[in-house]
Amino acid sequence: NAGVTQTPKFQVLKTGQSMTLQCAQDMNHEYMSWYRQDPGMGLRLIHYSVGAGITDQGEVPNGYNVSRSTTEDFPLRLLSAAPSQTSVYFCASSRSRQGTNEKLFFGSGTQLSVL
Amino acid sequence: AQSVAQPEDQVNVAEGNPLTVKCTYSVSGNPYLFWYVQYPNRGLQFLLKYITGDNLVKGSYGFEAEFNKSQTSFHLKKPSALVSDSALYFCAVRAPTRGYQLTFGKGTKLSVIP
Repeated sequence: NAGVTQTPKFQVLKTGQSMTLQCAQDMNHEYMSWYRQDPGMGLRLIHYSVGAGITDQGEVPNGYNVSRSTTEDFPLRLLSAAPSQTSVYFCASSRSRQGTNEKLFFGSGTQLSVL
Repeated sequence: AQSVAQPEDQVNVAEGNPLTVKCTYSVSGNPYLFWYVQYPNRGLQFLLKYITGDNLVKGSYGFEAEFNKSQTSFHLKKPSALVSDSALYFCAVRAPTRGYQLTFGKGTKLSVIP
């Protein structure tokens, strides 16, 4: 059982480049979310989804886009990378649409550096 | 707005001694509270949660947490620390009216000294 799979594990971008961070889960979870983790700031919610075709903004959505075309996949897109987006990104999923009533299952993270 | 405070950036404890990692919160209404643990180069793992009921919640790996409504605290505890407990610990909270927004604390690094 793979759980939540994130790719790539590491990525270096130049300012202005675009890229997509991939997240897939094989647990048939309805709720999926993206967080960024910065030193001394904990985790901050970027975007979340409560099912296919439904997405919404979290605490720090600017500069990021998401879509949810299937239950399994929830990619995070950086359209024009900025140094402020250097961070570790985590995808997390949960069984219920309530998301945060249930425990979150986290991927192993993507370490992104924007030069 | 909901918020979480973990007042200690780092906690050091000797192996075999009891450990406490502190967490206080601020929300409107009754809180939903969580503890997660992060080992190096890994994602977060769920330890325990408080939704309602008994103030003492038991979780994974021998951890427990005590909900104190009057002090707005949710401290993580373990009677006897192991070296393998060394990790980064995060407290998280959400208000009942903010179903999808989980707010995390900044994290506390726990070091268990052999």
